[in-house]
Amino acid sequence: GENVEQHPSTLSVQEGDSAVIKCTYSDSASNYFPWYKQELGKGPQLIIDIRSNVGEKKDQRIAVTLNKTAKHFSLHITETQPEDSAVYFCAAPPRGGKLIFGQGTELSVKP
Amino acid sequence: DSGVTQTPKHLITATGQRVTLRCSPRSGDLSVYWYQQSLDQGLQFLIQYYNGEERAKGNILERFSAQQFPDLHSELNLSSLELGDSALYFCASSLDIGSYEQYFGPGTRLTVT
Repeated sequence: GENVEQHPSTLSVQEGDSAVIKCTYSDSASNYFPWYKQELGKGPQLIIDIRSNVGEKKDQRIAVTLNKTAKHFSLHITETQPEDSAVYFCAAPPRGGKLIFGQGTELSVKP
Repeated sequence: DSGVTQTPKHLITATGQRVTLRCSPRSGDLSVYWYQQSLDQGLQFLIQYYNGEERAKGNILERFSAQQFPDLHSELNLSSLELGDSALYFCASSLDIGSYEQYFGPGTRLTVT
């Protein structure tokens, strides 16, 4: 069935280091892969997304890579800052608009 | 601020009761989605509406129902509430049925006592 696995569940880095979060999906029909950032007490915020015809997309300090053959995609955050601390979710819509979310990664950036 | 609004922010009610959660999508968005976030189940898709019509259903209980009105706002109705229904309920909206970018509201925290 439709499934998205996300790793790691928690990640702690020093300020300035890089952070990488990985997701795998099961439905080969998925062609859109968003990443959301959720801060405490707030709704998920779309921070970057990638479509299946692109292998990599970058926006300032964040980037997403996609390997359709292996059915996995990753979020890369460089030069991490304390304000990057949050829970990050990957998602994949198998068909139509509904999003299937990963379990979330709690990122902690230590000053 | 995503442009999606949800009311109320917090709701505390007793088991067996019925509540209504309200969502207004971003200006111009025609599709509305409802998600439930709980500690043990994560973020789960409940239901999608597009321009007033139901388009997709997820793991939505029969005690739950939703609708989208002509002005495109949506309501999620939860009835015969149980303790396990305590969760965050998020509404998201997107431009149309084929557009995947979904923007989430701030959520409604429901506590059933």
